Amino acid sequence: DTGVSQNPRHKITKRGQNVTFRCDPISEHNRLYWYRQTLGQGPEFLTYFQNEAQLEKSRLLSDRFSAERPKGSFSTLEIQRTEQGDSAMYLCASSSGLAGYEQYFGPGTRLTVT
Amino acid sequence: SQQGEEDPQALSIQEGENATMNCSYKTSINNLQWYRQNSGRGLVHLILIRSNEREKHSGRLRVTLDTSKKSSSLLITASRAADTASYFCATDARNAGNMLTFGGGTRLMVKP
Repeated sequence: DTGVSQNPRHKITKRGQNVTFRCDPISEHNRLYWYRQTLGQGPEFLTYFQNEAQLEKSRLLSDRFSAERPKGSFSTLEIQRTEQGDSAMYLCASSSGLAGYEQYFGPGTRLTVT
Repeated sequence: SQQGEEDPQALSIQEGENATMNCSYKTSINNLQWYRQNSGRGLVHLILIRSNEREKHSGRLRVTLDTSKKSSSLLITASRAADTASYFCATDARNAGNMLTFGGGTRLMVKP
């Protein structure tokens, strides 16, 4: 399967702990996106990479959040000092500027902060 | 509020009927995309319509776009129980770095 993959699929953590999620995009997709989705809502944009450069960050991305894409392939999203309000599904998507603008989403990482 | 807003928020139909979902948005766009999401899972891309297109078809899906009204509709014909899912429109706004702005979604239930 050459789709977008995300790990872990589920994460339960205690408030105050740090968590890190990983996203592996479709091979050769140079664009990678992170979104957050809470129950009953549509996804909300968090940040966007083109190759290894982080080009855009939402105001939703507080100082406790950091994302990296060090080699322009996989990406990590870290949340420090988690809060209950961070509980959500974190979705990763990738796209190729050459092929168009469709974004292909991974299955998501569901975070529960207790 | 979010850029795209779907209407209705929930829709329940019988298998075989058609389902129509509408989406409105606020700013100028490059394109508008429709996605499907099964409960608790990732989003599946359905169809993309560019700002200079008015209608597009893909299998049982028909999407229209009216940029003068800043609205789009998704029609699913001859619905099946497997079409039960949430459907989201997402806009790729001009000068927005290709980030997608999603609406709140329409929850479609197709009864067998």
